[in-house]
Amino acid sequence: DAGVTQSPTHLIKTRGQHVTLRCSPISGHKSVSWYQQVLGQGPQFIFQYYEKEERGRGNFPDRFSARQFPNYSSELNVNALLLGDSALYLCASSPTTDEQYFGPGTRLTVT
Amino acid sequence: RKEVEQDPGPFNVPEGATVAFNCTYSNSASQSFFWYRQDCRKEPKLLMSVYSSGNEDGRFTAQLNRASQYISLLIRDSKLSDSATYLCAVNMLGNYQLIWGAGTKLIIKP
Repeated sequence: DAGVTQSPTHLIKTRGQHVTLRCSPISGHKSVSWYQQVLGQGPQFIFQYYEKEERGRGNFPDRFSARQFPNYSSELNVNALLLGDSALYLCASSPTTDEQYFGPGTRLTVT
Repeated sequence: RKEVEQDPGPFNVPEGATVAFNCTYSNSASQSFFWYRQDCRKEPKLLMSVYSSGNEDGRFTAQLNRASQYISLLIRDSKLSDSATYLCAVNMLGNYQLIWGAGTKLIIKP
């Protein structure tokens, strides 16, 4: 069975630009969560979606937004990129809200 | 105080030894607990879920101590391939986000 997939794997953007990251969950999983992980820290929760509805939002500015599509795939959008947005962005899918399975991540570098 | 805390290590352990590390959490209402393993520049991979009285999977044993608000991970007969960062994550019932520790780095030496 295919695991969680994310695209792109790497991305380089400049300050002020916009970025869209994509995620496809494990087949049958209806919940998708987004996390940001910077080096040396654990993942920080950004959003969770379940059945296309936002179920949770972490402490991130409004520049961060997301949505989930009818096929349960999801996009994370970040506007007006800052240098501090450089991180590994992880998508996790879950059959429930408990156990979460991660994709390989998108490594975003903002210059 | 951080919501979830781990000793960052590194723990340098000889191959074949037993190693244990803890993860403390601040919210007594927390309901679900997990151990993940993360290799360098890779995604976290679910190692074990920890519910009520804990559980065991081969060389790995996870325990939950609600009174003292910590979970533990014990690795027996450690292998070189166990070298990684071990992250704990906590989910409070009704709260849909996992709160993560910063991870404990484990290095198994031959």
